[in-house]
Amino acid sequence: DIQMTQSPSSLSASVGDRVTMTCRASQGISYYLAWYQQKPGTLPKLLVYDASSLESGVPSRFSGSGSGTDFTLTISSLQPEDIATYYCQKYDSAPWTFGQGTKVEIK
Amino acid sequence: EVYLVESGGGLVQPGGSLRVSCAASGFRFSDLWMNWVRQAPGRGLEWVANIKKDGSERYYVDSVKGRFTISRDNAKNSLFLQMNSLRAEDTAVYYCTAGHYGDFRGQGTLVTVSS
Repeated sequence: DIQMTQSPSSLSASVGDRVTMTCRASQGISYYLAWYQQKPGTLPKLLVYDASSLESGVPSRFSGSGSGTDFTLTISSLQPEDIATYYCQKYDSAPWTFGQGTKVEIK
Repeated sequence: EVYLVESGGGLVQPGGSLRVSCAASGFRFSDLWMNWVRQAPGRGLEWVANIKKDGSERYYVDSVKGRFTISRDNAKNSLFLQMNSLRAEDTAVYYCTAGHYGDFRGQGTLVTVSS
């Protein structure tokens, strides 16, 4: 099975910083990747699908890129409300594995 | 709007069985793959199983193969997960989700495996 590895596992940044996190697949998955945001005590929310398509209503400071094995989620200017854990998930073929998550905190 | 309501969770002893359900509305249920995703307390998201639109294909994460069975009833817009031989490590909130990606719409149902 294809493994999904996110890095870093956690990061701390200041408000206004550009934040980048990565998701690496152990084999190519084309563009079949989604990113989710889960704030403490809430349900996961879809941010990006098909690697780079922004879900409707998601702030434009979020962007996704990549294809094949290497993917990136970028927050162009970190805001206090972006404190959350971010997960990637592949859906090219079963199993539709999630990454282990990247926890974002404010410095 | 998509509505997903999970039910059927509870406390069960190790080795026991439980069937959780998901009632769907607001979309054409028979048009979408359906999934079960779980989240253990304080842990990350884990995809558990999914089923094709017509039920002809089913897939599972390795840790539940042979113990869990996913099924659906398109006439009743319902998704099910039969869980047998439950283990402590199956303790989690179980969510159903629709399609290949999308917001989690239900609050989930808590399954606790403990003696």
